[in-house]
Amino acid sequence: DAGITQSPRHKVTETGTPVTLRCHQTENHRYMYWYRQDPGHGLRLIHYSYGVKDTDKGEVSDGYSVSRSKTEDFLLTLESATSSQTSVYFCAIRTVSPNFSYEQYFGPGTRLTVT
Amino acid sequence: EDQVTQSPEALRLQEGESSSLNCSYTVSGLRGLFWYRQDPGKGPEFLFTLYSAGEEKEKERLKATLTKKESFLHITAPKPEDSATYLCAVPLYNQGGKLIFGQGTELSVKP
Repeated sequence: DAGITQSPRHKVTETGTPVTLRCHQTENHRYMYWYRQDPGHGLRLIHYSYGVKDTDKGEVSDGYSVSRSKTEDFLLTLESATSSQTSVYFCAIRTVSPNFSYEQYFGPGTRLTVT
Repeated sequence: EDQVTQSPEALRLQEGESSSLNCSYTVSGLRGLFWYRQDPGKGPEFLFTLYSAGEEKEKERLKATLTKKESFLHITAPKPEDSATYLCAVPLYNQGGKLIFGQGTELSVKP
């Protein structure tokens, strides 16, 4: 399972409240990613990190921020949750294969419902 | 535009009935194609990486192949436990390893 945990696993929150999701890895991988998965849209990248304090946006980053103060933790924050952010959120880490491809391994996911 | 398309969206098979799933892609500078399996309520589970046209990888009843424009996931004599959604993904060149995913094929194998 690549040593990835996500917390919480389930959360229900109200519109307008802040929410922080945590991704924790135990294998010292440099790259970490946050995706969301929605019916009809598949998996889409929100933000990613390529080192401590180094982050970049993905294709659906509006309304989300991230932080990485330690190698092992990557936090995803919804500053003011909206119903459109109801989704399943997955964290992933990247390994580098001998052929320099970018294999990613995923955590178990967080199901977030915004009411 | 970089794009990954999977077909069919859903596939129903009888146990033992072999078939194939398709993943077609249009990306510049292919640096691998990944197949994942996803069970309901779980994260995608890594299956294979294919690097170049002509390459094949096998795992139990699954065999993945790659051409210059598409990849196939062949399922030989499937069992009910092979039921899952199968995803393919391609990393974008020089963009931090970002993956573009297909929509997935939902496979159901009935006994």
